[in-house]
Amino acid sequence: AQSVTQLGSHVSVSEGALVLLRCNYSSSVPPYLFWYVQYPNQGLQLLLKYTSAATLVKGINGFEAEFKKSETSFHLTKPSAHMSDAAEYFCAVSGSGSARQLTFGSGTQLTVLP
Amino acid sequence: DTGVSQNPRHKITKRGQNVTFRCDPISEHNRLYWYRQTLGQGPEFLTYFQNEAQLEKSRLLSDRFSAERPKGSFSTLEIQRTEQGDSAMYLCASSQGTGGRNEQFFGPGTRLTVL
Repeated sequence: AQSVTQLGSHVSVSEGALVLLRCNYSSSVPPYLFWYVQYPNQGLQLLLKYTSAATLVKGINGFEAEFKKSETSFHLTKPSAHMSDAAEYFCAVSGSGSARQLTFGSGTQLTVLP
Repeated sequence: DTGVSQNPRHKITKRGQNVTFRCDPISEHNRLYWYRQTLGQGPEFLTYFQNEAQLEKSRLLSDRFSAERPKGSFSTLEIQRTEQGDSAMYLCASSQGTGGRNEQFFGPGTRLTVL
């Protein structure tokens, strides 16, 4: 069975500072990993995904994530935070069964301080 | 591509009433998923369809829940005899293909409040 752990339910950074959101996964098979962002009262939007190609994945809005198999991690980073980055971020792993349903972490609320 | 749409966006009901939600996926997508999201948590898988066939259901999907996807197009999720514990955001997602690498596109969700 797959599982995802997101360390830190709330992260605050100053505008212009580095954003680092942590995600560790557990999977019995080589995983497909995703980061989604959710703005208030909206659905989830895909930021980026790892599908066993390059271990450093670049996504939208300047975000990137690095897959590290030895650490079972897929941390999300952005060099310089913008006020518009304030949102909730979810890491997810794709299931290995036929359903391929996503198993999500509990989310990290990012606050960007002026 | 108009994205995944869900209706209604908000539903307030009294305990014991039945409610039905609708999801319209992206037109060419063969897979449709339902998830439930409670406050402060990530979405949890409920069920999925490949075309019109409902192929898997989570243990979260009690007997009071039923989902359909007639003709492999839109889907409905019905909750009978609602309970306060059913209050949550119900999210629909769709994807194309059968691989785990394929992105799931999410709708805006239906927020259910059971009084």
